[in-house]
Amino acid sequence: EPEVTQTPSHQVTQMGQEVILRCVPISNHLYFYWYRQILGQKVEFLVSFYNNEISEKSEIFDDQFSVERPDGSNFTLKIRSTKLEDSAMYFCASSADRVGNSPLHFGNGTRLTVT
Amino acid sequence: AQSVTQPDIHITVSEGASLELRCNYSYGATPYLFWYVQSPGQGLQLLLKYFSGDTLVQGIKGFEAEFKRSQSSFNLRKPSVHWSDAAEYFCAANTGRRALTFGSGTRLQVQP
Repeated sequence: EPEVTQTPSHQVTQMGQEVILRCVPISNHLYFYWYRQILGQKVEFLVSFYNNEISEKSEIFDDQFSVERPDGSNFTLKIRSTKLEDSAMYFCASSADRVGNSPLHFGNGTRLTVT
Repeated sequence: AQSVTQPDIHITVSEGASLELRCNYSYGATPYLFWYVQSPGQGLQLLLKYFSGDTLVQGIKGFEAEFKRSQSSFNLRKPSVHWSDAAEYFCAANTGRRALTFGSGTRLQVQP
């Protein structure tokens, strides 16, 4: 079965540094998402992306975050200047259609640790 | 505000016993409803979904869930739990093209 793949599985960075989290969604999917899960807390929506633009974002997704689909396969999340509170598991997801018409398929996540 | 509530943070059951995990939602209209499972260090795997129609939906791994509009609930059930079912379970919902809203999760522990 096709999978969403995320790299790296674990990233450690210093506060103030930029990080890029990478995702390869399922190849025929059109909708892409980033979610995050702070340790012990619920999974929170960050952003959705369709047709090369952001279709929805949460209040968490402020100016330090950006997303990009630089080529036909990758979908990236950039955090410009990391803060300690950005430490979390970041999940990429994709769906064939908008959520509700088809379910999200999640990657295994990237654990980001900001020191 | 739209929300999904999972009242039980942690549940422990014996292997072979039945299981019910609770989920309630608060939406203006009936949302699409989902249950996901997360094993340690893993991503979220879809167990089942409800869009419309039959209120009892079957999923993978022997799970089922029942949608009850009158109670705004979508509880997950399994008749006989296996040790490999130990994981965190998330209920989620959305309407239309909006992003999924997740509940806070229920951690299931299975005793031998």
